Amino acid sequence: DTEVTQTPKHLVMGMTNKKSLKCEQHMGHRAMYWYKQKAKKPPELMFVYSYEKLSINESVPSRFSPECPNSSLLNLHLHALQPEDSALYLCASSQGQGVSYEQYFGPGTRLTVT
Amino acid sequence: GENVEQHPSTLSVQEGDSAVIKCTYSDSASNYFPWYKQELGKRPQLIIDIRSNVGEKKDQRIAVTLNKTAKHFSLHITETQPEDSAVYFCAAGDNFNKFYFGSGTKLNVKP
Repeated sequence: DTEVTQTPKHLVMGMTNKKSLKCEQHMGHRAMYWYKQKAKKPPELMFVYSYEKLSINESVPSRFSPECPNSSLLNLHLHALQPEDSALYLCASSQGQGVSYEQYFGPGTRLTVT
Repeated sequence: GENVEQHPSTLSVQEGDSAVIKCTYSDSASNYFPWYKQELGKRPQLIIDIRSNVGEKKDQRIAVTLNKTAKHFSLHITETQPEDSAVYFCAAGDNFNKFYFGSGTKLNVKP
C-alpha cells in the first residue's frame, strides 16, 4: 500500500469550533508532515514528526496542534481558527530521518473557516 | 533558512516543444531536489528527483540537472503534450526532513 489517506476531504468550521484532521499511512514510514497550501501558492511546511516525535515546528500559531499517536497516524487539532486559515491541508510521509527520501502526499483536506 | 526561487511563473509552449523550468536554492545543507506536478484540486505528484551526488537524471521525456556549485537545478520536459499542462513545483530538502518549495510554474501546452 503506497497511499497516504486523509479525512475529512472537506471541512467547514466556525471560528469558535474545535475540529481535527486525520492522516494515515501504512508504508512503514517514520517521518510525517503537515503542509498548508493556499490557492495558487506552494505547499508550506508546518510540522514534521520523526519517529513519532515533533522535530520541526515552522513557527505555526498555537491554534494548530499536531499529534502523532503512533507511527501510522498523524492528527492536526484545530481550535479558534481565523478565516485566513482557510486552505488545503496536506499530509505527507517519507521513510525517515538521516537521508532525504521521497515524500508521499495525501489528497488533502480542504478547510474553510467561516 | 532555505530559500527556493523558481522561474518562470508561467510558461506557454506548443505541443511537441520543450519546456524548461529553473530553480535556485540558498542552503548548502540541501541535498535532495524533487519536482512535483500538481493538477487543479489534486495532490502534488513526484515526477522526478535528484540527489546532490548526481548531476543529471532522466526518465523518458523528463530530465533534471543539478549544479551544486551554482546552487541551481532545472527541469526539462521534451516533446510536451497537452496532458503535461499543470503547475510544477521544485523543492529542496535536507537530512532533517525540512522541505521548502519553489513558488511554482504554471505550464500550458497548447495543442
